[in-house]
Amino acid sequence: AQTVTQSQPEMSVQEAETVTLSCTYDTSENNYYLFWYKQPPSRQMILVIRQEAYKQQNATENRFSVNFQKAAKSFSLKISDSQLGDTAMYFCAFTVGRGGGADGLTFGKGTHLIIQP
Amino acid sequence: DAGVTQSPTHLIKTRGQQVTLRCSPKSGHDTVSWYQQALGQGPQFIFQYYEEEERQRGNFPDRFSGHQFPNYSSELNVNALLLGDSALYLCASSLWELQETQYFGPGTRLLVL
Repeated sequence: AQTVTQSQPEMSVQEAETVTLSCTYDTSENNYYLFWYKQPPSRQMILVIRQEAYKQQNATENRFSVNFQKAAKSFSLKISDSQLGDTAMYFCAFTVGRGGGADGLTFGKGTHLIIQP
Repeated sequence: DAGVTQSPTHLIKTRGQQVTLRCSPKSGHDTVSWYQQALGQGPQFIFQYYEEEERQRGNFPDRFSGHQFPNYSSELNVNALLLGDSALYLCASSLWELQETQYFGPGTRLLVL
């Protein structure tokens, strides 16, 4: 069974600072995908960034980037130039690719990120 | 491009009752997954539907059942409700063949009294 661990229940930074959220996972699979989702108070789960395990290059989406360390099974999210709208719960998630469909996502417990003005 | 929609937004039921939640996938998607998110926790996978069949199931009892219709929309049914079933229920849609990322709807908040 796969597990996802987020060891930071809550983080708080000042606007415009850079913040890194940690995530580790455990799996024996080789073909898998990792995600960061954002859930603001409105409850809607929004995809932030996605990483395929077979790709060595770290994914980047505007101010969001990941540090994917496959051997260490680590998948951290870096948010640059943080904005007030980045305040939300952030969930790390994992799924195994099956060559036709994919497993249900396994989520961590989340990190509550607060951006202070 | 319509995203994932869910209904109702909120629901209040009493113990022992039955509930049906509905989900319409994002345009072009053919796979629907359901998740339960208890307060302060990450979502937990309930099951996944593709081609009107349950393809995968998480660790949930048989009281949780579902259905997928020919237009790819889906229902989640929960029988004999327990207080512990109070949660946010999230629907996510994806594209089966391309192992596309799952996109989530706004959720249905269920309160069991």
